[in-house]
Amino acid sequence: DIQVTQSPSTLSAYVGDRVTITCRASQSVSTWLAWYQQKSGKAPNLLIYQASSLESGVPSRFSGSGSGTEFTLTISSLQPEDSATYYCQQYEGYPLTFGGGTKVEI
Amino acid sequence: EVQLLESGGGMVHPGGSLRLSCAASGFTFPTTAMTWVRQAPGKGLEWVSVIGGSGVNRFYADSVKGRFTISRDNSKGTVHLQMDNLRAEDTAIYYCVKALNKPGGQWGQGTLVTVSS
Repeated sequence: DIQVTQSPSTLSAYVGDRVTITCRASQSVSTWLAWYQQKSGKAPNLLIYQASSLESGVPSRFSGSGSGTEFTLTISSLQPEDSATYYCQQYEGYPLTFGGGTKVEI
Repeated sequence: EVQLLESGGGMVHPGGSLRLSCAASGFTFPTTAMTWVRQAPGKGLEWVSVIGGSGVNRFYADSVKGRFTISRDNSKGTVHLQMDNLRAEDTAIYYCVKALNKPGGQWGQGTLVTVSS
């Protein structure tokens, strides 16, 4: 199974900061990686698919990059509504696996 | 508008069974893979199972293989998760997901399953 590791597990930042979350896969997943945002008490929402493609309706301050085993999610200018937990997920093969999550505090 | 409405959650004793359902509308259901993802209280996301549009291709997480069965009824726009021999560690919110990790993917609001004696 492909293991996915996220870092950091918690991140504290200020409004306007540039924030980066890292996701590492235990073996190459090419660009078969997605990022999700989950706000407290809500279902997750897709932000990024195929490593760097922005889902429709997602603000352009969110971006994804990487390929192979190392990926990043960047929020270019943190906003109050970005307070949430972020998850990466590989879909190169089954079983699909999620990272442990990164809680972003503002 | 895409709608995913899960039902069937509740409390059950260890070893018991539950059948979750997800009623889908607002998209071309028969051509869309459907996924169940769960989240234990205060924990992260765990992929559980997926079924292809035709219902032929089905995959399961190792943690549920042999105990859970995913199915779908394309005539009714529903997907089901039959959960047998439930364990305490199956306690979670179960989400029905349309087109996981694809453009236009959407999650339902989830249904809570509690396994406790």
